[in-house]
Amino acid sequence: GAGVSQSPSNKVTEKGKDVELRCDPISGHTALYWYRQSLGQGLEFLIYFQGNSAPDKSGLPSDRFSAERTGGSVSTLTIQRTQQEDSAVYLCASSSTGRFEAFFGQGTRLTVV
Amino acid sequence: GQQVMQIPQYQHVQEGEDFTTYCNSSTTLSNIQWYKQRPGGHPVFLIQLVKSGEVKKQKRLTFQFGEAKKNSSLHITATQTTDVGTYFCASSNYKLTFGKGTLLTVNP
Repeated sequence: GAGVSQSPSNKVTEKGKDVELRCDPISGHTALYWYRQSLGQGLEFLIYFQGNSAPDKSGLPSDRFSAERTGGSVSTLTIQRTQQEDSAVYLCASSSTGRFEAFFGQGTRLTVV
Repeated sequence: GQQVMQIPQYQHVQEGEDFTTYCNSSTTLSNIQWYKQRPGGHPVFLIQLVKSGEVKKQKRLTFQFGEAKKNSSLHITATQTTDVGTYFCASSNYKLTFGKGTLLTVNP
């Protein structure tokens, strides 16, 4: 595709349920990031994938959060046993390496009720 | 990892006034990138600076990278309502790390 695609665009889930968020990066981009943005706040780093290297998971806020990237392309961010504080916009970005401009998807707005 | 501090957190100006946001680091940065996020939108890349003392311009926007590569600034001349949004600086040593952003509002 022409840009980074994220799905779903909106997700409302009940507290305690698991959710999966998907990111399709730009074809050929080796670097992929997940960020979380709460209302009016900055970009909170979650996880970074670069090629076949082990991902940098240092930003994941708890062990309820996990992410994988299959075949160096599509990535899925999974949140288990969602809590209300998980409500935020989850943004995915990709770049050709870690040192060049990042292209962001439109984000997934997650609401935990 | 590289941490970048951004100030101010908020800035409200009258249309036509100038605006500047600053990005600072305690360590030397390999590069600095600037992004703009419109309300309700996602961050969009504006520019990347890599050289010490580099200055780049995009119409009314001027970007500077400090001589020591520890600070950067974004200056907007004669703001317009279309400039409204949050401006983020970011740096990548091996991963892209963002400052907390400066929210600019413009009173018409």
